Amino acid sequence: ETGVTQTPRHLVMGMTNKKSLKCEQHLGHNAMYWYKQSAKKPLELMFVYNFKEQTENNSVPSRFSPECPNSSHLFLHLHTLQPEDSALYLCASSPLLAGITDTQYFGPGTRLTVL
Amino acid sequence: GQQVMQIPQYQHVQEGEDFTTYCNSSTTLSNIQWYKQRPGGHPVFLIQLVKSGEVKKQKRLTFQFGEAKKNSSLHITATQTTDVGTYFCAGSSGTYKYIFGTGTRLKVLA
Repeated sequence: ETGVTQTPRHLVMGMTNKKSLKCEQHLGHNAMYWYKQSAKKPLELMFVYNFKEQTENNSVPSRFSPECPNSSHLFLHLHTLQPEDSALYLCASSPLLAGITDTQYFGPGTRLTVL
Repeated sequence: GQQVMQIPQYQHVQEGEDFTTYCNSSTTLSNIQWYKQRPGGHPVFLIQLVKSGEVKKQKRLTFQFGEAKKNSSLHITATQTTDVGTYFCAGSSGTYKYIFGTGTRLKVLA
């Protein structure tokens, strides 16, 4: 499946580093999401963008900064992270059709380790 | 806030046995979706249910949405090793925001 791609797939960074995660969707969707998946925890929704506008910030610490330049690209800028931020970061997109249902398509994720 | 719980957290079954995971929401849902995540993979959409009491089947998988639209279940008949993975439900209260359940990790022993 190549509808939603994420780079890098693996990232190791120190607490003082600045790095960015990139997500790109090739499905013509209008909504994009960032999720955090830690061991033994449910998927945590971080940010939602609809038509490039942020519509949801789920009380995410400011050391995570999202950017959505257009409907196909989504970034997550990382700065001064903590070891507990180590997790799998998943990007997803959805068509945002009229109605009450919307199917999300996930990318392969970036496995982040903060030392 | 809205919470979505799933039970059991883990399930080990012998190949050929049936498997069921249950999803319970603290609030009434407008619709519910199910996803499967293989080990080392990412969640993949399986199905969505919208109507109260709705039942849908996909080969050996049967999905049900409760009458009160607060719970759902996924039943797999005669499990196979390819069914291994974590099954998540995701519920929406009418917005485009979906709350994912805690997941049920299924292991199938050959």
